[in-house]
Amino acid sequence: KQEVTQIPAALSVPEGENLVLNCSFTDSAIYNLQWFRQDPGKGLTSLLLIQSSQREQTSGRLNASLDKSSGRSTLYIAASQPGDSATYLCAVRPRGGSNYKLTFGKGTLLTVNP
Amino acid sequence: GAVVSQHPSRVICKSGTSVKIECRSLDFQATTMFWYRQFPKQSLMLMATSNEGSKATYEQGVEKDKFLINHASLTLSTLTVTSAHPEDSSFYICSARRSDRLNTEAFFGQGTRLTVV
Repeated sequence: KQEVTQIPAALSVPEGENLVLNCSFTDSAIYNLQWFRQDPGKGLTSLLLIQSSQREQTSGRLNASLDKSSGRSTLYIAASQPGDSATYLCAVRPRGGSNYKLTFGKGTLLTVNP
Repeated sequence: GAVVSQHPSRVICKSGTSVKIECRSLDFQATTMFWYRQFPKQSLMLMATSNEGSKATYEQGVEKDKFLINHASLTLSTLTVTSAHPEDSSFYICSARRSDRLNTEAFFGQGTRLTVV
């Protein structure tokens, strides 16, 4: 059974700092990995999707890497801003063309202080 | 990106009543939608997979008679919480997958906060 772990559970940083969020998964047989942002009481916003054959994806100040063999992914946020404060979730989709079920981690609660 | 709309965003109901939550894909067709439940400070737990035109597939431990799912069209799935109890209070989120593309990311609705009093 796939398990996804996110470390740290919470992180508080001053504005402008670069930071890294970690995600690990126990079963490397994945189709892709997705990073999401969730604001309090809201749904999920997709940030980056990495296919199993890819090593990284970038979008603006965000960079996500994937090391499938070691079961790890990182989300790098450059020059953090107070507006980045949210919970960040990673989720993996299992290998198998017809299986779209995602397994989520519990998330990292990020607070960026002005 | 594709838009998934979920309604209502918040609902308060009395114990014993039923509540319906709608999930719509606004600008794409979705043969498959997913319903998740999220407890405070916990990860999203998949409840069921909703398939257009056929019965939903429920995850182990989820009561199908309690959580009725209907996916009558390619853009709409509904979740009805029947005979609601306070322990059903939670945050429910739907997700939809585009029918016309492979390898797509998952798109999520805004979520519904259900409070049963």
